[in-house]
Amino acid sequence: AQSVTQLGSHVSVSEGALVLLRCNYSSSVPPYLFWYVQYPNQGLQLLLKYTTGATLVKGINGFEAEFKKSETSFHLTKPSAHMSDAAEYFCAVSDRGSQGNLIFGKGTKLSVKP
Amino acid sequence: GAVVSQHPSRVICKSGTSVKIECRSLDFQATTMFWYRQFPKQSLMLMATSNEGSKATYEQGVEKDKFLINHASLTLSTLTVTSAHPEDSSFYICSALPGGRETQYFGPGTRLLVL
Repeated sequence: AQSVTQLGSHVSVSEGALVLLRCNYSSSVPPYLFWYVQYPNQGLQLLLKYTTGATLVKGINGFEAEFKKSETSFHLTKPSAHMSDAAEYFCAVSDRGSQGNLIFGKGTKLSVKP
Repeated sequence: GAVVSQHPSRVICKSGTSVKIECRSLDFQATTMFWYRQFPKQSLMLMATSNEGSKATYEQGVEKDKFLINHASLTLSTLTVTSAHPEDSSFYICSALPGGRETQYFGPGTRLLVL
């Protein structure tokens, strides 16, 4: 069975500071990994994904994540936080490969202080 | 591209009534659609997976007779919460998977409040 662990339910950074949201996964098969962002009372928006190939993945809004197989991690980073980045972030691993079933982490709420 | 809509966005109903939520893929055909529920300050929990023209596959612990799913076309799936009770109050989110792709596209969610 696959699972996702997001360390830290709440992360607070200052505007302009580095954003680091941690995600570790377990999977018995090569994983597809995703980061989604959710703004209040809205659905999820895909930030970035890793399927195969390059392990450093760039997404929207300046975010990127690196797939590290040896560490079973897929941490999300952004060099400089913006106030508009404040939201809930979910890491997910795809279950059953191409069928697309997603297993989500519990989410990390990012707060950005002025 | 890859837009998914849900209707209604918010619904309040009395206990014992049924509520239907629609999920549409607006600019692509979705061979598979997923239904999730999300309780406050929690993650998304998959309820069921529906494939066009076939019966939905429900996750363990989800009552198939209570949460009726119909995926009648490649662009529409519906979730009907039958005989809703206050404990069914939640945020319901659907997603759609384009054929042959690995990325789900999510709808904006439907907030259900059962009084």
